Amino acid sequence: DAKTTQPTSMDCAEGRAANLPCNHSTISGNEYVYWYRQIHSQGPQYIIHGLKNNETNEMASLIITEDRKSSTLILPHATLRDTAVYYCIVSTGFQKLVFGTGTRLLVSP
Amino acid sequence: GAVVSQHPSRVICKSGTSVKIECRSLDFQATTMFWYRQFPKQSLMLMATSNEGSKATYEQGVEKDKFLINHASLTLSTLTVTSAHPEDSSFYICSARDLRGKGSDTQYFGPGTRLTVL
Repeated sequence: DAKTTQPTSMDCAEGRAANLPCNHSTISGNEYVYWYRQIHSQGPQYIIHGLKNNETNEMASLIITEDRKSSTLILPHATLRDTAVYYCIVSTGFQKLVFGTGTRLLVSP
Repeated sequence: GAVVSQHPSRVICKSGTSVKIECRSLDFQATTMFWYRQFPKQSLMLMATSNEGSKATYEQGVEKDKFLINHASLTLSTLTVTSAHPEDSSFYICSARDLRGKGSDTQYFGPGTRLTVL
């Protein structure tokens, strides 16, 4: 079973920031938070991952709360091409990934 | 970097035939690859873990004699669906684990193979 909880769907206006929340209250000390997204009929795309510090790359930012029980993926300027299902997964990195149902993000003009 | 390819991207076959799907890590070596299956409107379900040079580990409920996995090199894993039936029609996706990350591994996914069994 997936160890994360995400909203089923979210909407975002093009050009605005998309903030996708994820709850992982049972996360272990050695587990990372990984984010992937899946655009229709494609394989999942790696976005970012982190342990306890906030992380940023060219795609997104990951904010992890101090108690590590939740996190937020931030797409700073959403575009129509960011419409996808976003998956938040906790894993040690050496384990298999267990996908939940994710958040379906719809970016509209 | 970290590109994973799959071939073919789409295959249609007759019931009873076998289909082989290839998964390649193009710019890194992967001692471990994973095979997932995704039915319409559902999430990805892990089928098996493929380790280079050893037998694959199958998830509960996945028939190892039906879904043959071979991980013959550090850049190639194959999934063969034997005696395919219409219920095997699905989107098959592989991933490869990149060990070069800082402190943790990252899995990178292939683009998927759409299998349709008539």
